Amino acid sequence: DSGVTQTPKHLITATGQRVTLRCSPRSGDLSVYWYQQSLDQGLQFLIQYYNGEERAKGNILERFSAQQFPDLHSELNLSSLELGDSALYFCASSPKVQGAYEQYFGPGTRLTVT
Amino acid sequence: GESVGLHLPTLSVQEGDNSIINCAYSNSASDYFIWYKQESGKGPQFIIDIRSNMDKRQGQRVTVLLNKTVKHLSLQIAATQPGDSAVYFCAENKGYGQNFVFGPGTRLSVLP
Repeated sequence: DSGVTQTPKHLITATGQRVTLRCSPRSGDLSVYWYQQSLDQGLQFLIQYYNGEERAKGNILERFSAQQFPDLHSELNLSSLELGDSALYFCASSPKVQGAYEQYFGPGTRLTVT
Repeated sequence: GESVGLHLPTLSVQEGDNSIINCAYSNSASDYFIWYKQESGKGPQFIIDIRSNMDKRQGQRVTVLLNKTVKHLSLQIAATQPGDSAVYFCAENKGYGQNFVFGPGTRLSVLP
């Protein structure tokens, strides 16, 4: 158990809908990262937050957004969902804001768009 | 562009044998590398890391080797066990202010 929690575990929704994925980092970790993992793309970095502020953006679509709250939990919002958004979404946390340090991954949320 | 790749997409080994999983990286500026293990239905789990000022690092039953000359990274698992069956990812980081780039993964299957 990494100490990172994600809810829900599974989510099935229809195209055009909007969903929110939730992540709670390890106790004491201030950095939260979101990744998308699909069969054909592997693990793709989406966005990073540190102590409530956006720090880095990766391959995140404009239909997607995220935020980190004062209690450090984070939410990833996916809107106008398309079939191609079906994937595993992972949250990871790290005690560091920048630099190279290991990240601890949550169990993921499996999103299925029908 | 910069990328992290793996030589072998699948690897099958006999239980008790040693496993070697390889990874090629293209960015010579990368200075930190991690190997992750991902079991079915779970998130990636940290195995071992290495910084560019080292060429070898050992953990429990695992060793990571870094060859900066040819930009190659490998993960050696000694006495492979059924519980080692998983997908293994290498990830590289260019350092300060950068984020990790993950390779596509290698599936390790341990045969009885």
